[in-house]
Amino acid sequence: EVQLVESGGDLVQPRGSLRISCVGSGLTFSKYWMHWVRQAPGKGLEWVSRINRDGSIAKYADSVKGRFTISRDNAKDTVYLQMNSLRAEDSALYYCVRDAGDRRGMDVWGQGTMVTVSS
Amino acid sequence: SYELTQPPSVSVSPGQTAKIPCSGDALPEQFAFWFQQKPGQVPLLLIYKDSERPSGIPERFSGSSSGTTVTLTISGVQAEDEADYYCQSADTSGIPVVFGGGTKLTVL
Repeated sequence: EVQLVESGGDLVQPRGSLRISCVGSGLTFSKYWMHWVRQAPGKGLEWVSRINRDGSIAKYADSVKGRFTISRDNAKDTVYLQMNSLRAEDSALYYCVRDAGDRRGMDVWGQGTMVTVSS
Repeated sequence: SYELTQPPSVSVSPGQTAKIPCSGDALPEQFAFWFQQKPGQVPLLLIYKDSERPSGIPERFSGSSSGTTVTLTISGVQAEDEADYYCQSADTSGIPVVFGGGTKLTVL
């Protein structure tokens, strides 16, 4: 069974930093592009970032560009999201998501890790 | 920034057909995807490439595309289909993923 398990969510103060992680199992992790998608409580889905198979190409939503950095370690089957200069509006459940490739969509979602930005 | 527009809510009686539209200027050039999210659950991919169903998704879920609008159709709606539904696509200026605001489907 393919699984993505996020960790690292926490309560952090405004302007603080946090790194969240996602470990994959049951898949050949290095074959897939990976995304982070977030959802504030009671709100809709918001795409955050995407990284290609070898970690050389990353894309970001305008709302996080310059503050967040996505990376991956295929030897550890792990993707990361480093979040700096956090704001209250970054508070959300952060999902790690697999891209199936070949335009087949984001087909596997983790359970999410909660990030709360508050003083 | 690019937006995908969905109605906030759609209501339908059991056994009827629900249609959820999603509009966006880039939809004629970009594929659309649909997700279902039930309360307390993670999103589930229902439709990819406008109209393809992943394995395990019931045939009553279908997708279509016409110009700047894509539509998710749920035939023979069941009580268990009550959920939030999100369309997703890409823009033409390099942002690979954009979500619509979501539509809450209520089964009366």
